[in-house]
Amino acid sequence: EPEVTQTPSHQVTQMGQEVILRCVPISNHLYFYWYRQILGQKVEFLVSFYNNEISEKSEIFDDQFSVERPDGSNFTLKIRSTKLEDSAMYFCASRGSGETQYFGPGTRLLVL
Amino acid sequence: RKEVEQDPGPFNVPEGATVAFNCTYSNSASQSFFWYRQDCRKEPKLLMSVYSSGNEDGRFTAQLNRASQYISLLIRDSKLSDSATYLCVVTSRSTDKLIFGTGTRLQVFP
Repeated sequence: EPEVTQTPSHQVTQMGQEVILRCVPISNHLYFYWYRQILGQKVEFLVSFYNNEISEKSEIFDDQFSVERPDGSNFTLKIRSTKLEDSAMYFCASRGSGETQYFGPGTRLLVL
Repeated sequence: RKEVEQDPGPFNVPEGATVAFNCTYSNSASQSFFWYRQDCRKEPKLLMSVYSSGNEDGRFTAQLNRASQYISLLIRDSKLSDSATYLCVVTSRSTDKLIFGTGTRLQVFP
């Protein structure tokens, strides 16, 4: 069964450093998403992406965040200058023509 | 008021028990409704969509009451493997972003 993959599974970084989280969505899907989940809290929407542009973004997704689909398979989330409060699990999701979003296994980001 | 509210639990039930979870949502324009399951430190996985007429998938039954803005999930004959956090999720007509509740934790014991 096709699945969303994410790399790395874990990332530790120093405050102020840039990180890039990578996702490979399911191959025939056209809609892509990033969500995050701070430990012990609910899953929160960050951004949606379709047709090579952002469809919607949340208040969390400020100027420090950016997304890109650099080629036909990868979908990346960049955090330019990480803060302590960016520590969270980051989930990528993708969707085809139906309404179901399929989640990747996540990247656990720890900012020290 | 939170967009999606759930009782956080935990619900501790013996194997074979029937357990019900409830969820309320605040936006009357919400259009699609789901129950996702999340195991500890794992990604959310779709358990089932919820339709206005109610729907069943094996031991799981979901109900939607649009007038009361209320969604439920019933699990019959609980198994140890049902132990997880159950997430109530909605979307609205104007957006396909998923709005999650905080989840209800279920622990099934032998």
